Amino acid sequence: NAGVTQTPKFQVLKTGQSMTLQCAQDMNHEYMSWYRQDPGMGLRLIHYSVGAGITDQGEVPNGYNVSRSTTEDFPLRLLSAAPSQTSVYFCASSSPSGTGEKLFFGSGTQLSVL
Amino acid sequence: RKEVEQDPGPFNVPEGATVAFNCTYSNSASQSFFWYRQDCRKEPKLLMSVYSSGNEDGRFTAQLNRASQYISLLIRDSKLSDSATYLCVVNEDSWGKLQFGAGTQVVVTP
Repeated sequence: NAGVTQTPKFQVLKTGQSMTLQCAQDMNHEYMSWYRQDPGMGLRLIHYSVGAGITDQGEVPNGYNVSRSTTEDFPLRLLSAAPSQTSVYFCASSSPSGTGEKLFFGSGTQLSVL
Repeated sequence: RKEVEQDPGPFNVPEGATVAFNCTYSNSASQSFFWYRQDCRKEPKLLMSVYSSGNEDGRFTAQLNRASQYISLLIRDSKLSDSATYLCVVNEDSWGKLQFGAGTQVVVTP
């Protein structure tokens, strides 16, 4: 039972590079989301989706794009990496509406932008 | 001002002792409340929901005070394995825009 699979675990980018963080879940969850976690600030919502084809912005969406073509996958794209995007990123899913109860998180991606 | 605030700690607790800590939230319309546990460099995991009447799950007791806008977590008979960061999570609307606190670190010592 894989749950939420997030890749890669670690990534180093140079300023201006682009990349995609992958997230997949096998629990048929409607709700998926991306968070970033910075020291002393808690997790902040970047983007979320309540179903295939539906995405919306969270608290800190600038510099990130998402798409939800299938129920299973919710990739996060960094368009032009900046040092301010150095953080730990978590993908999460839940059912039915992401109300917080039983949010399942991926194992995280440690991203460093030089 | 942060939407959800927590004392970062650390709370250093002898094994077997009781520890309690609070979390305050700013939005009086917040609908649901949770405690998540996060071990070092790991993903957060749901510890328990917080209900208006208060609720227990084994050694853990959660309380909600809507009038003063805070929730609390109490851990009795602390175990070494309880060492972790405890995240307060508040749901402000039905679309699942969750607000996370920065966490309270608990260190249980032998």
